[in-house]
Amino acid sequence: GQQVMQIPQYQHVQEGEDFTTYCNSSTTLSNIQWYKQRPGGHPVFLIQLVKSGEVKKQKRLTFQFGEAKKNSSLHITATQTTDVGTYFCAGSGGTSYGKLTFGQGTILTVHP
Amino acid sequence: DADVTQTPRNRITKTGKRIMLECSQTKGHDRMYWYRQDPGLGLRLIYYSFDVKDINKGEISDGYSVSRQAQAKFSLSLESAIPNQTALYFCATSDRWTSWNEQFFGPGTRLTVL
Repeated sequence: GQQVMQIPQYQHVQEGEDFTTYCNSSTTLSNIQWYKQRPGGHPVFLIQLVKSGEVKKQKRLTFQFGEAKKNSSLHITATQTTDVGTYFCAGSGGTSYGKLTFGQGTILTVHP
Repeated sequence: DADVTQTPRNRITKTGKRIMLECSQTKGHDRMYWYRQDPGLGLRLIYYSFDVKDINKGEISDGYSVSRQAQAKFSLSLESAIPNQTALYFCATSDRWTSWNEQFFGPGTRLTVL
């Protein structure tokens, strides 16, 4: 079945440093979504990417979808303490439309 | 999201007991999902339902069963709980009629099986 791998598992940064998490799928995806889970909270939708090579920005967050639609990345510029949490990618594709396969998540800690 | 509620929020039970986790939503969504979250493993899909008469197994359905009592309610049962079912369980919903197909998660149920 479809597998989605996400690295790194943990990332510790100083406030103001940049952060990137990467996501790779074993199969071509129709779309990829990103979620953020604050400590003690539940996952919250951030964005969806659909097109090959798509790049979207939300303030300091930049999301990319690979040309082959098998990989994606989330980059945060100049991290802040409010960025702390776990970031998940989740892919949907082929016969699994409407069903998401989540990556393992990247836990981000930001030291002030 | 306050529109998706889960009960109980915490539960401690013993091996062999039957327990039910409940999920209700007021978002009017047709699709509902049950996930479990374990450290380092992300969110894994247990069961999903695209409408009241549609129930599908996810990647880790063994040891679990579900019931979709109404469009707004989706329950997860552990017929005979075992310690490796200790995890954080999330219910989620989505709307087939939106292009985003984003999922809205409940607050989670922390289950401990002793």
